[in-house]
Amino acid sequence: AQTVTQSQPEMSVQEAETVTLSCTYDTSESDYYLFWYKQPPSRQMILVIRQEAYKQQNATENRFSVNFQKAAKSFSLKISDSQLGDAAMYFCAYRSGSQGGSEKLVFGKGTKLTVNP
Amino acid sequence: DAGVTQSPTHLIKTRGQQVTLRCSPKSGHDTVSWYQQALGQGPQFIFQYYEEEERQRGNFPDRFSGHQFPNYSSELNVNALLLGDSALYLCASSSKRDRRGYTFGSGTRLTVV
Repeated sequence: AQTVTQSQPEMSVQEAETVTLSCTYDTSESDYYLFWYKQPPSRQMILVIRQEAYKQQNATENRFSVNFQKAAKSFSLKISDSQLGDAAMYFCAYRSGSQGGSEKLVFGKGTKLTVNP
Repeated sequence: DAGVTQSPTHLIKTRGQQVTLRCSPKSGHDTVSWYQQALGQGPQFIFQYYEEEERQRGNFPDRFSGHQFPNYSSELNVNALLLGDSALYLCASSSKRDRRGYTFGSGTRLTVV
């Protein structure tokens, strides 16, 4: 079974600075997707960024980028120029990409990010 | 374009009662998944519905059941509520044609007393 581990329960960053959130996963599959979701107090899970395992290039979405190390099974999220609105719980998630494979998302326990003004 | 809509937003029930939660998927999505998120934890997969059938189930007892309607909306039913069922219940919709991601609703906060 696949597992996702987020080893940092809490992180803090100064406004305008850069912070990196860590995520490792375990799988025997070669085709899969990895996600970072943001959950603010409003509770809705918001997709931040997505990475397909077959793509070697790291995904980037504006101030958000990932460092995807497939061999090490590591998937960290870097937030540049942090803003107060970035404060939230961040969840790393895994999903099989195989046809006929599991379609469920497997989540880590989350990292609470605080942004200090 | 409406996203995923869940109702109600909050609910308080007594142990032993039954509850029904509702979800309307994002326009164009045909698949609905339900997740349970206990306080301070990541969401746990309950089950997924597609073409009005349960297609995959997580490690949840039979007290948790669901339904999907022809318009793709879905219900989650929980019978014989336990205190441990208190959680945020999230609905996520997706399209079978696009396997890359899900759109989540804001959830239903269920409190069992």
